[in-house]
Amino acid sequence: DVKVTQSSRYLVKRTGEKVFLECVQDMDHENMFWYRQDPGLGLRLIYFSYDVKMKEKGDIPEGYSVSREKKERFSLILESASTNQTSMYLCASSLIDEQYFGPGTRLTVT
Amino acid sequence: RKEVEQDPGPFNVPEGATVAFNCTYSNSASQSFFWYRQDCRKEPKLLMSVYSSGNEDGRFTAQLNRASQYISLLIRDSKLSDSATYLCVRGGSYIPTFGRGTSLIVHP
Repeated sequence: DVKVTQSSRYLVKRTGEKVFLECVQDMDHENMFWYRQDPGLGLRLIYFSYDVKMKEKGDIPEGYSVSREKKERFSLILESASTNQTSMYLCASSLIDEQYFGPGTRLTVT
Repeated sequence: RKEVEQDPGPFNVPEGATVAFNCTYSNSASQSFFWYRQDCRKEPKLLMSVYSSGNEDGRFTAQLNRASQYISLLIRDSKLSDSATYLCVRGGSYIPTFGRGTSLIVHP
C-alpha cells in the first residue's frame, strides 16, 4: 500500500514568515507533485519533480520554491508567506499515471 | 477551454438511486483516464481506472467514449457513503490533468 505523508495537517503562520511543507513517500516513486486546492478552483499544480534534484514549474509557481534532495522527500517552501497563500496543500507521488496523495496540509496565513 | 471539464453539481439523489456523471476532455490523443473520489476535507483517492473496454467494480462502472471525447462514471444503488466529490483525471503523461470535480450528495 502506497503511503504518502505530510509533515503537518494544520499550520498557522504569520505574513512574511518562511514556511516549509514536507512530503515523504515510501514507494520509490520517481514523480512527486505539490498542488494547492481552493474552493471552486480545483487542484492547481505548483511544482513537480521527476527525479532527485530535478524540478519543473507547474501552473502557479509564483511565491513558491521546492527542494528534492532525496527520492522519497519533496519539500515545498513559501519564502515569505502571504494571506493569499492560505489554502489546502496536497502532495502526491506517482510511478507513471496513477497519483497517490498525502492527507494534505491546511495552511492559514494571518 | 479547460482540458478536462465536469459539471460541478451538486447531484442530489436518494439512497438506492442510479446516478451518472460525465467528463469531457479536449485532447484527442489522451491515452488514459481515471476517476478519483474526494471526501470533504480529505485527499483525493483513486477510485478506478477507465479502459477503452470499460471498467466495472461492484456498483461502479466507468466508460470511455473516444469518438465523443468523454468518460462517464455510473453508480448503481447509491449509498449515503457515496457522498463525495468525484474527480475526472486525464493521464497519458506524467503530469495528469484534473477536472474540478462533481459533487454527489446521497440523502436518506
